[in-house]
Amino acid sequence: KQEVTQIPAALSVPEGENLVLNCSFTDSAIYNLQWFRQDPGKGLTSLLLIQSSQREQTSGRLNASLDKSSGRSTLYIAASQPGDSATYLCAVAEGAQKLVFGQGTRLTINP
Amino acid sequence: GAVVSQHPSRVICKSGTSVKIECRSLDFQATTMFWYRQFPKQSLMLMATSNEGSKATYEQGVEKDKFLINHASLTLSTLTVTSAHPEDSSFYICSARDWGTGQGLREQYFGPGTRLTVT
Repeated sequence: KQEVTQIPAALSVPEGENLVLNCSFTDSAIYNLQWFRQDPGKGLTSLLLIQSSQREQTSGRLNASLDKSSGRSTLYIAASQPGDSATYLCAVAEGAQKLVFGQGTRLTINP
Repeated sequence: GAVVSQHPSRVICKSGTSVKIECRSLDFQATTMFWYRQFPKQSLMLMATSNEGSKATYEQGVEKDKFLINHASLTLSTLTVTSAHPEDSSFYICSARDWGTGQGLREQYFGPGTRLTVT
């Protein structure tokens, strides 16, 4: 059974810092991996999707990497801003349908 | 980008009543929609996969008679929580997958969620 773990569970950093969020998964047979952002009481916003054949994806200040063999992904956020404060979720696509989510990392950027 | 809507965004109901939540894909056709629930400070758990024109596939431990799912068109899926109880109070989120471009497996687009409170 696929299990997705995110470390740390919570992170608080001052504005302007670069930071890394970690995601690990137990079964490397995935279709893709997605990073999402969730604001309190809201739905999910897709940030980046990495296909299983890709190593990384970039969008603005965000960069996500994928190492399938080791079952790891990282989300790098450059020059963090208070507006980046949210919960970040990673999810792996298992089979053709199912997404398995991690527990999330609650990020706080302090002005 | 692809947009998925949910209605209502919040609902409060009394124990024993039924509640229907709608999930719509606004600008694409979704042959498959997914229903998740999320408890406070926890992650999303898949409840069921809904395919247009066929019965939903429920995850282990999810009561299909309690959580009725209908996917009657390519843009609409509904989740009905029957005989709701306080323990059904949760955040319900749907998602939809766009297969229209022919590029195979694509990302899921998520709705804004529905907060259900059963009193």
